[in-house]
Amino acid sequence: DGGITQSPKYLFRKEGQNVTLSCEQNLNHDAMYWYRQDPGQGLRLIYYSQIVNDFQKGDIAEGYSVSREKKESFPLTVTSAQKNPTAFYLCASSMLQGNYGYTFGSGTRLTVV
Amino acid sequence: GQSLEQPSEVTAVEGAIVQINCTYQTSGFYGLSWYQQHDGGAPTFLSYNALDGLEETGRFSSFLSRSDSYGYLLLQELQMKDSASYFCAVYSSMNRDDKIIFGKGTRLHILP
Repeated sequence: DGGITQSPKYLFRKEGQNVTLSCEQNLNHDAMYWYRQDPGQGLRLIYYSQIVNDFQKGDIAEGYSVSREKKESFPLTVTSAQKNPTAFYLCASSMLQGNYGYTFGSGTRLTVV
Repeated sequence: GQSLEQPSEVTAVEGAIVQINCTYQTSGFYGLSWYQQHDGGAPTFLSYNALDGLEETGRFSSFLSRSDSYGYLLLQELQMKDSASYFCAVYSSMNRDDKIIFGKGTRLHILP
């Protein structure tokens, strides 16, 4: 079955550490997205990519970095510059045309310890 | 600018009908979609409306009025498993690369 896989499900980070969240999709979707969700809040866009080797900043990109070396993969690195990284991180993908639904992964819950 | 407004919480009784409203303000609008998210889970796509009117999919229906910049999600024969957060999302050519903008979500509480 096609879908999006995020790993790990839970991640703990020490102060000053960089951590990388994995996102892999086998839906042959062109576009991939990273969202951050805080308790009781909506989804805020961190970064997105529509083609390999190209990505764009979203609304809250500071303290995060991404890469898109393969169509299937869009890892997110939470750097030490992100001062409040504790949140639920969601990866999504979509076709660029003809399909208006986003498919989401099951999320990674990041906690700073 | 752009904005989406939806109630933060709605409460309904099992077996009843509930409507979750969404009003939006944007230029270049071309569609409204709805997503369901259970606690700790991934949002799942429910519906997409590009034209005025009601789209029905089983117990869920979604409505759009472009002239009123308004839409709603209608859930019928409510079941306890429908307890979740529901997000409306706007598609607009005003958004760079046509990416969608999500509302803050409506938490639906269902009473037995």
